[in-house]
Amino acid sequence: DQQVKQNSPSLSVQEGRISILNCDYTNSMFDYFLWYKKYPAEGPTFLISISSIKDKNEDGRFTVFLNKSAKHLSLHIVPSQPGDSAVYFCAASAGSGGYQKVTFGIGTKLQVIP
Amino acid sequence: EPEVTQTPSHQVTQMGQEVILRCVPISNHLYFYWYRQILGQKVEFLVSFYNNEISEKSEIFDDQFSVERPDGSNFTLKIRSTKLEDSAMYFCASSEGRVGYYEQYFGPGTRLTVT
Repeated sequence: DQQVKQNSPSLSVQEGRISILNCDYTNSMFDYFLWYKKYPAEGPTFLISISSIKDKNEDGRFTVFLNKSAKHLSLHIVPSQPGDSAVYFCAASAGSGGYQKVTFGIGTKLQVIP
Repeated sequence: EPEVTQTPSHQVTQMGQEVILRCVPISNHLYFYWYRQILGQKVEFLVSFYNNEISEKSEIFDDQFSVERPDGSNFTLKIRSTKLEDSAMYFCASSEGRVGYYEQYFGPGTRLTVT
């Protein structure tokens, strides 16, 4: 049961252009969403998050958009840089108190071409 | 910047042997987690740990697996009798445990190869 879906296994973008990574989810209980970046032979690195009470969160070159009605979120990277080449995991969580169980998507491999 | 560390980086073991994977979470974090990623597949949740007990575990986390916080800094995952299908990257993670701060910070992983 894929509760978090990343339907594009890979994406290629020219340096300086916008990268848009998409993610869909099915569980309406999810209330917190995260994006992680992963380089080969390293652990996932937290990138940016958004609470379900917001529809946009921005951090430098990275912006996450959340469309709750469509159960869709996206990560925009502007401008894209070669160092952004990595696998990007969308994740969603639900829970209470200080704990939330995180469910990951399968990842999208981004290649930024110099 | 504080980070999660894991040892060893690569563990090779024979089927049926016990392995212990070690992690040092970020010092002020209260929740600890283990995930695994089989080659080519997604990152899968195994278990979460809080206040010296398991708070949640997945179907993957069967009786062959156990976790322990033997002292104030280490967090371990033990696989009692490894199988070929246990070969994967195992990631430890930790989070603050504060409401509204749910980001989990991951270690670099241990590559477990069962032969």
